Amino acid sequence: AQSVTQPDIHITVSEGASLELRCNYSYGATPYLFWYVQSPGQGLQLLLKYFSGDTLVQGIKGFEAEFKRSQSSFNLRKPSVHWSDAAEYFCAVSRGNQGGKLIFGQGTELSVKP
Amino acid sequence: EAQVTQNPRYLITVTGKKLTVTCSQNMNHEYMSWYRQDPGLGLRQIYYSMNVEVTDKGDVPEGYKVSRKEKRNFPLILESPSPNQTSLYFCASSPQVQDYGYTFGSGTRLTVV
Repeated sequence: AQSVTQPDIHITVSEGASLELRCNYSYGATPYLFWYVQSPGQGLQLLLKYFSGDTLVQGIKGFEAEFKRSQSSFNLRKPSVHWSDAAEYFCAVSRGNQGGKLIFGQGTELSVKP
Repeated sequence: EAQVTQNPRYLITVTGKKLTVTCSQNMNHEYMSWYRQDPGLGLRQIYYSMNVEVTDKGDVPEGYKVSRKEKRNFPLILESPSPNQTSLYFCASSPQVQDYGYTFGSGTRLTVV
């Protein structure tokens, strides 16, 4: 069965520091891959997605993610974190033929220290 | 403003009392879906709809019903709510199922006592 693992439940970084959030997936073929962000009391917002092609994907808000097939990973990165980036981040995968279903990881909560 | 609107945002109800959570999108999206979010479990799909009058079950459909009579609306119905349906619910829409650029609503926090 497909699954998504986000190993870090909670991460704290200092403002201005770099960030990497980990995501590993279990899947037989290359899935479609996504990162979403959820601010407190809000719905989820799509940061970026990977379907095929260039394995380094640029998203909104200065985020990027790199697909590594050999490691079954799709880690999210940002070179310099801002206090407004504090939120919960979800990695998700899809096979593309399951009625649009996304399989979500459990989420990583990001705190930003001043 | 392009958006998905859910109502109500918060709801406390009693076991067995039928309720409906409404979802409406103003983007002419074909695809709509309902998810529930529970601590430690992430988001799980309840139902989805690829277009008007086309709906299908997701991973956790038990205890829920949906309908898609109009393109813009996709209500979630709990005929006889139970405490295990206490959760945070999200409606999402996308131009087409292949797009996956979902727009999510702000969520409905439901408590069943």
